[in-house]
Amino acid sequence: QSALTQPASVSGSPGQSITISCAGTSSDIGGFILVSWYQQHPGKAPKLIISEVNKRPSGVSDRFSGSKSGNTASLTISGLQADDEAEYYCCSYAGSSSYVFGPGTRVTVL
Amino acid sequence: QVQLQESGPGLAKPSETLSLTCSVSGGSISGDSHYWAWIRQPPEKGLEWIGTISNSGNTYLNPSLKSRVTISVDTSKNQFSLRLNSVTAADTSVYYCARLGSWGLGAFDIWGQGTMVIVSS
Repeated sequence: QSALTQPASVSGSPGQSITISCAGTSSDIGGFILVSWYQQHPGKAPKLIISEVNKRPSGVSDRFSGSKSGNTASLTISGLQADDEAEYYCCSYAGSSSYVFGPGTRVTVL
Repeated sequence: QVQLQESGPGLAKPSETLSLTCSVSGGSISGDSHYWAWIRQPPEKGLEWIGTISNSGNTYLNPSLKSRVTISVDTSKNQFSLRLNSVTAADTSVYYCARLGSWGLGAFDIWGQGTMVIVSS
C-alpha cells in the first residue's frame, strides 16, 4: 500500500476559505472515486465529512466540499469557523478491498 | 441509529495477544450489507486501517499487519472482534471500530469512541 501525502498544517482566519490537498497515485486516489475525508477533534473519534470525493453526509455543513483531479484529492473549508480547528484526514480505496489514510493535516483558525 | 462500542483490556504485555470486541447496537450486522472495520491511531499519530470483515466472515487485512491479525464476526451477538498477536510497544494505540460502506466500498461512516490499548510489561 502506498501512502497518501497531506500538508502537515494549514491555517486561515475566520471567514476565509482553505484547501487541504491529498496526493496519491493511480493505484488509489487516481483509480477510484472512493475518497473520503474525516474531521477529528482532540480526544474524539474521527467524523466522516466527505465521502465518494464530494458527497456530504446528512448533517455536515455545506461549508465543506471535496474534489479530485488526477491523483490528488482536495478538501475545501469555506467560511472558516473556530470549531473547524481540528485534524483532517483523507482516505482512499486502494484496490483489493484495502484502504489507506493520509497522515493528517492540522487546521488552525487564526 | 447504529452505534458502535469497543471493549477489551486496556493493557497488553509484549509478545502476547491483544483482543478487542466491537458491539453494534441500533442495527443488525447479519441483515446489513455494510462491512465492518478496525482502525487504529498511535498516540499523536495518524490513522491506520487494520482490516475489514463482512457479515459472512470474509476478511480483508492490511498487508503490513496481515500475519498478526485475525478479525472475526459473531452475528448472534451482533459483534465483531480483533485479535493482534505478538504485540510490541509499536502496537500501542487507540483502536477504533467503524462501519464501512455497503459491500466494503465507500467510507467509514460510523465510528466507535475508541479504546486505548497500551503494550507494556
